[in-house]
Amino acid sequence: TQLLEQSPQFLSIQEGENLTVYCNSSSVFSSLQWYRQEPGEGPVLLVTVVTGGEVKKLKRLTFQFGDARKDSSLHITAAQPGDTGLYLCAGDTGNQFYFGTGTSLTVIP
Amino acid sequence: EAQVTQNPRYLITVTGKKLTVTCSQNMNHEYMSWYRQDPGLGLRQIYYSMNVEVTDKGDVPEGYKVSRKEKRNFPLILESPSPNQTSLYFCASSLSRTRDEQYFGPGTRLTVT
Repeated sequence: TQLLEQSPQFLSIQEGENLTVYCNSSSVFSSLQWYRQEPGEGPVLLVTVVTGGEVKKLKRLTFQFGDARKDSSLHITAAQPGDTGLYLCAGDTGNQFYFGTGTSLTVIP
Repeated sequence: EAQVTQNPRYLITVTGKKLTVTCSQNMNHEYMSWYRQDPGLGLRQIYYSMNVEVTDKGDVPEGYKVSRKEKRNFPLILESPSPNQTSLYFCASSLSRTRDEQYFGPGTRLTVT
């Protein structure tokens, strides 16, 4: 049983389209992080959200932490081929980090 | 350059042959952990360490051992590897336990036949 479920698992879109990735759980997290992983490499942190309802923007990427701190979303505007990769959410319960199952994004030029 | 290094990057071994995967960080981080990554299951934490001589079990610790005798090193030991431990392994470190960025190593792809 996964503590964090991500959807969709796979996403293939055309350059310029918008997309949203969801990270859901029934557990409350003290913070939630989003990472991006490229083939053959380890994950790299994109953002950390801490407060319920918090919204953070990183250029074309918008991250939101749910009000109840149980879920999060990542929205990409006008996707670029450079956005291609595996997107992972990770929740901190205070004792451990739990990673989501991941969303593999392919942006077609 | 600030980094987490792992060795080896690739390893093919046979069932029951003890092996160690090394992990070292040069950022003076207190928190280190090991994850395994499997298709459809994401990253699962094996063991973590809050500081020197302090280690604790993660989500999937069975079949693994760790030690933290020095702040910079956190080796992962498989005393008797089995085929179900075939996976991609990542070591990670962060300044402290919560909210800080985890820096990941490049990964070790292990195959146990």
